[in-house]
Amino acid sequence: DAGVTQSPTHLIKTRGQQVTLRCSPKSGHDTVSWYQQALGQGPQFIFQYYEEEERQRGNFPDRFSGHQFPNYSSELNVNALLLGDSALYLCASSLVVPANVLTFGAGSRLTVL
Amino acid sequence: AQRVTQPEKLLSVFKGAPVELKCNYSYSGSPELFWYVQYSRQRLQLLLRHISRESIKGFTADLNKGETSFHLKKPFAQEEDSAMYYCALSGPGSARQLTFGSGTQLTVLP
Repeated sequence: DAGVTQSPTHLIKTRGQQVTLRCSPKSGHDTVSWYQQALGQGPQFIFQYYEEEERQRGNFPDRFSGHQFPNYSSELNVNALLLGDSALYLCASSLVVPANVLTFGAGSRLTVL
Repeated sequence: AQRVTQPEKLLSVFKGAPVELKCNYSYSGSPELFWYVQYSRQRLQLLLRHISRESIKGFTADLNKGETSFHLKKPFAQEEDSAMYYCALSGPGSARQLTFGSGTQLTVLP
Protein backbone atom coordinates (compact mmCIF):
# COMPACT_ATOMS: atom_id res chain seq x y z
CA ASP A 1 0.00 0.00 0.00
CA ALA A 2 1.50 3.31 -1.11
CA GLY A 3 -0.40 5.17 1.57
CA VAL A 4 -1.62 8.64 0.69
CA THR A 5 -0.29 9.87 -2.64
CA GLN A 6 -0.26 13.50 -3.72
CA SER A 7 0.57 15.20 -6.99
CA PRO A 8 2.34 17.25 -8.06
CA THR A 9 5.13 17.33 -5.48
CA HIS A 10 6.27 20.82 -6.41
CA LEU A 11 4.81 23.57 -8.56
CA ILE A 12 5.35 27.22 -9.26
CA LYS A 13 2.56 29.62 -10.21
CA THR A 14 2.18 33.36 -10.59
CA ARG A 15 -0.27 35.63 -8.83
CA GLY A 16 -3.79 35.42 -10.18
CA GLN A 17 -3.39 31.93 -11.61
CA GLN A 18 -5.33 28.87 -10.55
CA VAL A 19 -3.97 25.57 -9.26
CA THR A 20 -5.32 22.04 -8.78
CA LEU A 21 -3.73 19.57 -6.37
CA ARG A 22 -4.62 15.91 -6.30
CA CYS A 23 -4.76 13.26 -3.61
CA SER A 24 -5.41 9.53 -3.47
CA PRO A 25 -6.24 8.24 0.01
CA LYS A 26 -4.82 5.23 1.74
CA SER A 27 -6.51 2.00 0.74
CA GLY A 28 -9.60 1.45 2.88
CA HIS A 29 -9.99 5.10 3.86
CA ASP A 30 -13.08 7.04 2.79
CA THR A 31 -12.46 10.52 4.21
CA VAL A 32 -10.02 13.13 2.93
CA SER A 33 -8.86 16.27 4.72
CA TRP A 34 -6.68 19.06 3.37
CA TYR A 35 -4.28 21.13 5.42
CA GLN A 36 -2.09 24.11 4.56
CA GLN A 37 1.31 24.35 6.23
CA ALA A 38 3.16 27.64 5.98
CA LEU A 39 6.88 27.71 6.65
CA GLY A 40 7.64 27.33 10.35
CA GLN A 41 4.01 26.69 11.27
CA GLY A 42 1.87 23.69 12.04
CA PRO A 43 -0.69 22.44 9.53
CA GLN A 44 -3.93 24.43 9.32
CA PHE A 45 -7.24 22.75 8.44
CA ILE A 46 -8.77 23.76 5.11
CA PHE A 47 -11.68 21.31 4.72
CA GLN A 48 -12.73 17.68 4.86
CA TYR A 49 -14.61 15.58 2.33
CA TYR A 50 -16.73 12.50 2.93
CA GLU A 51 -19.21 10.85 0.57
CA GLU A 52 -18.30 13.44 -2.07
CA GLU A 53 -19.52 16.29 0.14
CA GLU A 54 -17.63 18.99 2.02
CA ARG A 55 -18.17 17.98 5.60
CA GLN A 56 -16.51 20.86 7.41
CA ARG A 57 -14.47 23.87 6.47
CA GLY A 58 -11.77 25.83 8.22
CA ASN A 59 -11.14 29.56 8.09
CA PHE A 60 -10.23 29.78 4.41
CA PRO A 61 -11.81 31.99 1.70
CA ASP A 62 -14.01 30.70 -1.08
CA ARG A 63 -11.01 30.80 -3.43
CA PHE A 64 -10.22 27.44 -1.88
CA SER A 65 -12.53 24.71 -3.13
CA GLY A 66 -12.42 20.98 -3.36
CA HIS A 67 -13.96 17.87 -4.69
CA GLN A 68 -14.13 14.21 -3.81
CA PHE A 69 -14.68 11.54 -6.42
CA PRO A 70 -16.56 8.22 -6.11
CA ASN A 71 -13.22 6.39 -5.69
CA TYR A 72 -12.53 8.63 -2.63
CA SER A 73 -9.72 10.56 -4.31
CA SER A 74 -9.83 14.31 -3.94
CA GLU A 75 -8.77 17.58 -5.51
CA LEU A 76 -7.98 20.95 -3.96
CA ASN A 77 -8.44 23.98 -6.18
CA VAL A 78 -7.18 27.46 -5.40
CA ASN A 79 -8.25 30.37 -7.60
CA ALA A 80 -6.78 33.86 -7.95
CA LEU A 81 -3.54 32.87 -6.27
CA LEU A 82 -1.92 35.26 -3.84
CA LEU A 83 1.69 35.35 -2.68
CA GLY A 84 0.45 34.27 0.75
CA ASP A 85 -0.87 31.01 -0.69
CA SER A 86 2.71 29.77 -0.97
CA ALA A 87 2.84 26.77 1.36
CA LEU A 88 2.97 23.02 1.66
CA TYR A 89 -0.46 21.51 1.06
CA LEU A 90 -1.02 18.28 2.91
CA CYS A 91 -3.66 15.73 2.15
CA ALA A 92 -4.65 13.34 4.92
CA SER A 93 -7.01 10.40 4.78
CA SER A 94 -8.91 8.58 7.50
CA LEU A 95 -11.92 6.47 8.19
CA VAL A 96 -15.08 8.49 8.75
CA VAL A 97 -14.80 7.42 12.40
CA PRO A 98 -12.44 8.33 13.89
CA ALA A 99 -11.90 11.18 11.45
CA ASN A 100 -9.10 12.63 13.56
CA VAL A 101 -6.69 9.69 13.20
CA LEU A 102 -4.97 10.84 10.04
CA THR A 103 -2.58 9.32 7.54
CA PHE A 104 -0.72 12.11 5.78
CA GLY A 105 0.68 12.37 2.30
CA ALA A 106 4.06 13.89 1.54
CA GLY A 107 2.50 17.14 0.41
CA SER A 108 2.49 19.44 -2.59
CA ARG A 109 4.81 22.43 -2.31
CA LEU A 110 3.23 25.47 -3.98
CA THR A 111 5.26 28.58 -4.69
CA VAL A 112 3.42 31.68 -5.90
CA LEU A 113 5.58 34.34 -7.57
CA ALA B 1 -11.69 29.40 19.89
CA GLN B 2 -9.40 26.45 20.32
CA ARG B 3 -5.67 26.95 20.39
CA VAL B 4 -2.56 24.81 20.87
CA THR B 5 0.68 26.32 22.14
CA GLN B 6 4.08 24.69 21.98
CA PRO B 7 6.37 27.19 23.69
CA GLU B 8 9.67 25.70 22.54
CA LYS B 9 10.57 25.87 18.86
CA LEU B 10 13.87 24.09 19.46
CA LEU B 11 14.88 21.60 22.15
CA SER B 12 18.20 19.80 22.50
CA VAL B 13 19.00 17.03 24.96
CA PHE B 14 21.80 14.50 25.28
CA LYS B 15 21.27 10.81 24.56
CA GLY B 16 20.03 9.03 27.64
CA ALA B 17 18.66 12.18 29.24
CA PRO B 18 14.97 12.67 29.96
CA VAL B 19 13.00 14.77 27.53
CA GLU B 20 9.75 16.70 27.90
CA LEU B 21 8.05 18.54 25.05
CA LYS B 22 5.49 21.01 26.30
CA CYS B 23 2.00 21.49 24.95
CA ASN B 24 -0.74 23.71 26.33
CA TYR B 25 -4.20 24.03 24.90
CA SER B 26 -7.24 26.25 25.08
CA TYR B 27 -10.61 24.56 24.54
CA SER B 28 -13.97 24.96 26.18
CA GLY B 29 -15.22 21.42 25.75
CA SER B 30 -13.86 17.96 26.50
CA PRO B 31 -10.58 17.80 24.58
CA GLU B 32 -9.09 15.01 22.54
CA LEU B 33 -5.34 15.47 22.10
CA PHE B 34 -2.68 13.98 19.90
CA TRP B 35 1.03 14.07 19.24
CA TYR B 36 2.15 13.81 15.62
CA VAL B 37 5.81 13.43 14.61
CA GLN B 38 7.78 14.10 11.46
CA TYR B 39 11.18 12.43 11.14
CA SER B 40 13.69 13.81 8.65
CA ARG B 41 12.55 13.22 5.06
CA GLN B 42 9.46 11.34 6.23
CA ARG B 43 5.78 12.18 6.37
CA LEU B 44 3.89 13.53 9.30
CA GLN B 45 2.59 10.56 11.30
CA LEU B 46 0.58 9.89 14.42
CA LEU B 47 2.69 9.19 17.50
CA LEU B 48 0.02 8.85 20.15
CA ARG B 49 -3.47 9.94 21.21
CA HIS B 50 -4.42 10.53 24.80
CA ILE B 51 -7.51 8.34 24.81
CA SER B 52 -5.39 5.30 23.88
CA ARG B 53 -3.24 5.70 27.00
CA GLU B 54 -0.43 3.92 25.18
CA SER B 55 3.33 4.26 25.35
CA ILE B 56 4.71 4.52 21.82
CA LYS B 57 8.49 4.29 21.26
CA GLY B 58 8.89 4.94 24.98
CA PHE B 59 6.92 8.20 24.85
CA THR B 60 3.96 8.93 27.09
CA ALA B 61 1.67 11.93 27.43
CA ASP B 62 -0.81 12.65 30.18
CA LEU B 63 -3.74 14.99 29.77
CA ASN B 64 -3.88 17.47 32.65
CA LYS B 65 -7.21 19.25 32.41
CA GLY B 66 -6.45 21.50 35.40
CA GLU B 67 -3.31 22.88 33.76
CA THR B 68 -4.71 22.41 30.22
CA SER B 69 -1.53 20.63 29.23
CA PHE B 70 -0.56 17.51 27.31
CA HIS B 71 3.21 17.29 27.64
CA LEU B 72 5.12 14.52 25.85
CA LYS B 73 7.73 12.71 27.92
CA LYS B 74 10.39 10.07 27.51
CA PRO B 75 12.72 9.02 30.34
CA PHE B 76 15.77 8.21 28.18
CA ALA B 77 16.09 9.99 24.83
CA GLN B 78 17.62 8.22 21.82
CA GLU B 79 19.26 9.78 18.78
CA GLU B 80 16.50 8.35 16.57
CA ASP B 81 13.99 10.48 18.52
CA SER B 82 15.32 13.58 16.76
CA ALA B 83 12.36 14.95 14.81
CA MET B 84 9.72 17.67 14.63
CA TYR B 85 6.89 17.08 17.09
CA TYR B 86 3.43 18.61 16.78
CA CYS B 87 0.77 18.65 19.43
CA ALA B 88 -2.80 18.70 18.07
CA LEU B 89 -6.30 19.17 19.45
CA SER B 90 -9.37 17.64 17.86
CA GLY B 91 -12.27 20.01 17.35
CA PRO B 92 -16.00 19.63 17.68
CA GLY B 93 -18.30 18.61 14.88
CA SER B 94 -18.41 15.53 12.74
CA ALA B 95 -15.14 16.25 10.93
CA ARG B 96 -13.12 16.32 14.17
CA GLN B 97 -10.56 18.53 12.45
CA LEU B 98 -7.18 18.97 14.10
CA THR B 99 -5.74 22.24 15.36
CA PHE B 100 -1.96 21.94 15.43
CA GLY B 101 0.64 23.75 17.44
CA SER B 102 3.62 25.28 15.66
CA GLY B 103 5.86 22.36 16.53
CA THR B 104 9.04 21.64 18.52
CA GLN B 105 12.21 20.48 16.78
CA LEU B 106 13.86 17.95 19.08
CA THR B 107 17.54 17.18 18.63
CA VAL B 108 19.09 14.37 20.63
CA LEU B 109 22.84 14.83 20.84
CA PRO B 110 25.26 11.87 21.03
